[in-house]
Amino acid sequence: GENVEQHPSTLSVQEGDSAVIKCTYSDSASNYFPWYKQELGKGPQLIIDIRSNVGEKKDQRIAVTLNKTAKHFSLHITETQPEDSAVYFCAASIIHDYKLSFGAGTTVTVRA
Amino acid sequence: GAVVSQHPSWVICKSGTSVKIECRSLDFQATTMFWYRQFPKQSLMLMATSNEGSKATYEQGVEKDKFLINHASLTLSTLTVTSAHPEDSSFYICSARDHQRNGNTIYFGEGSWLTVV
Repeated sequence: GENVEQHPSTLSVQEGDSAVIKCTYSDSASNYFPWYKQELGKGPQLIIDIRSNVGEKKDQRIAVTLNKTAKHFSLHITETQPEDSAVYFCAASIIHDYKLSFGAGTTVTVRA
Repeated sequence: GAVVSQHPSWVICKSGTSVKIECRSLDFQATTMFWYRQFPKQSLMLMATSNEGSKATYEQGVEKDKFLINHASLTLSTLTVTSAHPEDSSFYICSARDHQRNGNTIYFGEGSWLTVV
């Protein structure tokens, strides 16, 4: 099955700086890579996703890059704000399978 | 955007009793829903895939007789934890696939905290 590894497990950044979270996956058949933000006691919220036919996608301060050859993808948050503090999970799946395999999560803390 | 609702958001039950958690897709039809379990400070672990009108598909190591899943309609899936024990205490989260909009996009509910005492 799919194995998703995520690094780092914790990340502390100064407000206004950028945050980068990296994930690798094992199954070359995976072609859908969403990122979720989870606040304490709440369910994960989809923040951005990318499909394997695209190398990069951006939505305001959030961007995701995908390297299919190396089987890794990354989340970039620019101009971080205190409200960006949360746990972020990467995931991978095969589009027609829809079963998400999650990374272990990254706890992001934005220092004011 | 798409909304997935879970109920109850938290529940406390006595050991040995059963508890039901509902997952509803509020503004779209979900032929497929997923149930996850999350322990504190850990990632989400897929328990089972719930398919409307058919039996759920359970992941390896998940007891299907203990975690009963019913997906009776296109907007509702239920998870029943039978004969609950303290080790079943966890955060249970459902998700639903909106196949009509955005292709593969999967939306999560707000989760249900289960505490077995």
